[in-house]
Amino acid sequence: DAGVIQSPRHEVTEMGQEVTLRCKPISGHDYLFWYRQTMMRGLELLIYFNNNVPIDDSGMPEDRFSAKMPNASFSTLKIQPSEPRDSAVYFCASSSGGGTLKPQHFGDGTRLSIL
Amino acid sequence: GDSVTQMEGPVTLSEEAFLTINCTYTATGYPSLFWYVQYPGEGLQLLLKATKADDKGSNKGFEATYRKETTSFHLEKGSVQVSDSAVYFCALSDRGATNKLIFGTGTLLAVQP
Repeated sequence: DAGVIQSPRHEVTEMGQEVTLRCKPISGHDYLFWYRQTMMRGLELLIYFNNNVPIDDSGMPEDRFSAKMPNASFSTLKIQPSEPRDSAVYFCASSSGGGTLKPQHFGDGTRLSIL
Repeated sequence: GDSVTQMEGPVTLSEEAFLTINCTYTATGYPSLFWYVQYPGEGLQLLLKATKADDKGSNKGFEATYRKETTSFHLEKGSVQVSDSAVYFCALSDRGATNKLIFGTGTLLAVQP
């Protein structure tokens, strides 16, 4: 079975540019999560969706960040404008059903570098 | 709020040594507890879980027991291999309607041949 697919795997761009990260969850999963991982702050939950609807975006750092899930098989995380402090590895994860008994399946991440 | 505290790494062991990675938690209610593992260049994978007090989760030779009295969920393995080298994350989630996980900071394990 295909796992969670993220693209691109690596992104290097200049400060001020728009960055779009993409995620395809596992087919049939109805929860989707976006995380950010840095050395300083560890793994942080940014936002999660249930049935394509954003449920909790309290972890989104500021208005420069936005996330959408137009359908059950695709989500984007956008940063506009990007700043050097946004450099991190961004993970997408999905799970089936509610509750914590359903494990979250992670993609391999997007390593983002803002120069 | 809820939180997870893990021992700081890196932990460096020789092959076949015994492994313990400490994890304690603070939570209201009765959380479920998890260990995730992250191999280099990859995303996190669920290693094991426990959903109530005294439950023991196990997988691939790793074990962890949910200790409510000490609010702990320490990860153990009797004999580590070089292939176990990775970052290990302890996590908790409440039993509410949300599906949120709260992760510890991760512990890097390096196993030398």
